[in-house]
Amino acid sequence: GAGVSQTPSNKVTEKGKYVELRCDPISGHTALYWYRQSLGQGPEFLIYFQGTGAADDSGLPNDRFFAVRPEGSVSTLKIQRTERGDSAVYLCASSLAGGISYEQYFGPGTRLTVT
Amino acid sequence: GDSVTQMEGPVTLSEEACLTINCTYTATGYPSLFWYVQYPGEGLQLLLKATKADDKGSNKGFEATYRKETTSFHLEKGSVQVSDSAVYFCALSGATNKLIFGTGTLLAVQP
Repeated sequence: GAGVSQTPSNKVTEKGKYVELRCDPISGHTALYWYRQSLGQGPEFLIYFQGTGAADDSGLPNDRFFAVRPEGSVSTLKIQRTERGDSAVYLCASSLAGGISYEQYFGPGTRLTVT
Repeated sequence: GDSVTQMEGPVTLSEEACLTINCTYTATGYPSLFWYVQYPGEGLQLLLKATKADDKGSNKGFEATYRKETTSFHLEKGSVQVSDSAVYFCALSGATNKLIFGTGTLLAVQP
């Protein structure tokens, strides 16, 4: 079956611009996660959705970052006033349900470059 | 806070050599421990996991044992293949559902 998909695969934007990154989870998965992976580092947690609500947004670095999941399926990560330090690969993962018993399946990521 | 430390790479081995990638963790409570693998051009995949002390996770010839006394979860394989070349990430999941990853170890296996 279809895995987690993310669009676009690559995004180049200028400093100060607004960007949206999209994640389509595996059908039927109620939990959705966003991570950010900088060059040479492991992924860092940003936010976790259970259904439509953000159950844990403790990893969002500041108020320029926001994510939504209005219908409990597709999620959009939104970054305002982008900075060069936001350049990274943004990963989305989904799992059948929340809880550590459920495997997180990762998408291929969106590579964001802020010039 | 919770954290994971894994050995830095790159690790370069000849085919059929033994592999060990060290991983230690700091966590409150009793986390679950994972190894993820990222093959060239592909997304992160779960390789193996262990959910409690003394559990051994295994998959594709790889093994790792959850050692609470040494707070470690070292990844081992007795005989690596060229197809094992990838980046390996150690991770934990504690009281919340989020995964906390190490920095990754690049493994290159030469024929």
